[in-house]
Amino acid sequence: DTAVSQTPKYLVTQMGNDKSIKCEQNLGHDTMYWYKQDSKKFLKIMFSYNNKELIINETVPNRFSPKSPDKAHLNLHINSLELGDSAVYFCASSLERSYEQYFGPGTRLTVT
Amino acid sequence: SQKIEQNSEALNIQEGKTATLTCNYTNYSPAYLQWYRQDPGRGPVFLLLIRENEKEKRKERLKVTFDTTLKQSLFHITASQPADSATYLCAPEGGGSYIPTFGRGTSLIVHP
Repeated sequence: DTAVSQTPKYLVTQMGNDKSIKCEQNLGHDTMYWYKQDSKKFLKIMFSYNNKELIINETVPNRFSPKSPDKAHLNLHINSLELGDSAVYFCASSLERSYEQYFGPGTRLTVT
Repeated sequence: SQKIEQNSEALNIQEGKTATLTCNYTNYSPAYLQWYRQDPGRGPVFLLLIRENEKEKRKERLKVTFDTTLKQSLFHITASQPADSATYLCAPEGGGSYIPTFGRGTSLIVHP
């Protein structure tokens, strides 16, 4: 059973489009995260939710909007996609904020 | 501002030797520090967590040290194997947020 799953695994789209990435965890964790890993492999946190409540919102363009319908899901919606949004996006979860994180397989987003 | 430094150059070692990776941080005092492994095309996988009141933590062939005076953590893999080849990410807690901030990682290559 996959602990943290993301869909889709690959996403190729054109500039200006709107897209969503879905994330689900079946670990019963309270905290979920979205990270962006750029071409230089730097893993940067974007958002964190604890029990469906936003607790971390790093300096991210407001074109990015996370949505947590319940504790097990944290989706990422991106409006008006730009070339610079091309990266791998990872979802992760942890029991609580200070515990180890379990990462999903990543979504490779390519904006053309 | 907070800064995390890991060796940017790849570490090449011979099978059977001990690999030692370094993580230095500046301008803050994390309550804990985590180490993750990332293979190409995959999400990071948690390895070890060490808290500020612990000097050393071990798990099988892995050992982590945490020197809060030097602001440094060392990650050791003893009796290294080619299968240990991967990128290793240091992730100190982000200075009060209880959420880890990831370093850029060090690539380890173990030669048979």
